[in-house]
Amino acid sequence: KNEVEQSPQNLTAQEGEFITINCSYSVGISALHWLQQHPGGGIVSLFMLSSGKKKHGRLIATINIQEKHSSLHITASHPRDSAVYICAVPPANTGNQFYFGTGTSLTVIP
Amino acid sequence: DAGVIQSPRHEVTEMGQEVTLRCKPISGHNSLFWYRQTMMRGLELLIYFNNNVPIDDSGMPEDRFSAKMPNASFSTLKIQPSEPRDSAVYFCASSSGRLYEQYFGPGTRLTVT
Repeated sequence: KNEVEQSPQNLTAQEGEFITINCSYSVGISALHWLQQHPGGGIVSLFMLSSGKKKHGRLIATINIQEKHSSLHITASHPRDSAVYICAVPPANTGNQFYFGTGTSLTVIP
Repeated sequence: DAGVIQSPRHEVTEMGQEVTLRCKPISGHNSLFWYRQTMMRGLELLIYFNNNVPIDDSGMPEDRFSAKMPNASFSTLKIQPSEPRDSAVYFCASSSGRLYEQYFGPGTRLTVT
């Protein structure tokens, strides 16, 4: 049983396309993280959100706590967006663990 | 700030040897996380420190793994004895708290032969 499910697992898009990556979770949470892992392996935290919506440049993250669902959107996608995007949740009431999605591998073709 | 610093970046060792991975968190951060990433299991949280105190080590796979944080600017993850199945990338991350944005180090790629 996976506490965090991401979809799709793999995604190929043409440059300029609007991209959506989804994350659903089954545990109660206080916040949700979106991480980006570059092809070289480095991990960057994109967003940490507990409600509503956040925007950084072309990236937008939304969360619906009642539906236990979050989405990461990329507008006007670019080849440099090619990476693995990982959703991570710290459960609210079960200690201090983190649950991770398996990641969405995005390839943006020029 | 230089960000989270990890050393070594790559480590190749033989089964049975002791391995020590090192991490220097961002100055002022009071939370430190050790993660392991493999193809099979993805990212896993091994242990979490808050103010140098281990809060949750339930992710540590077995007694061969131990972690310490003797002060606010240094942490180690030790594997003794190492086994081939420990081969993975080990990341250290720091933040202002468990529910705050985390900053990841570049990782240590460990290969145990």
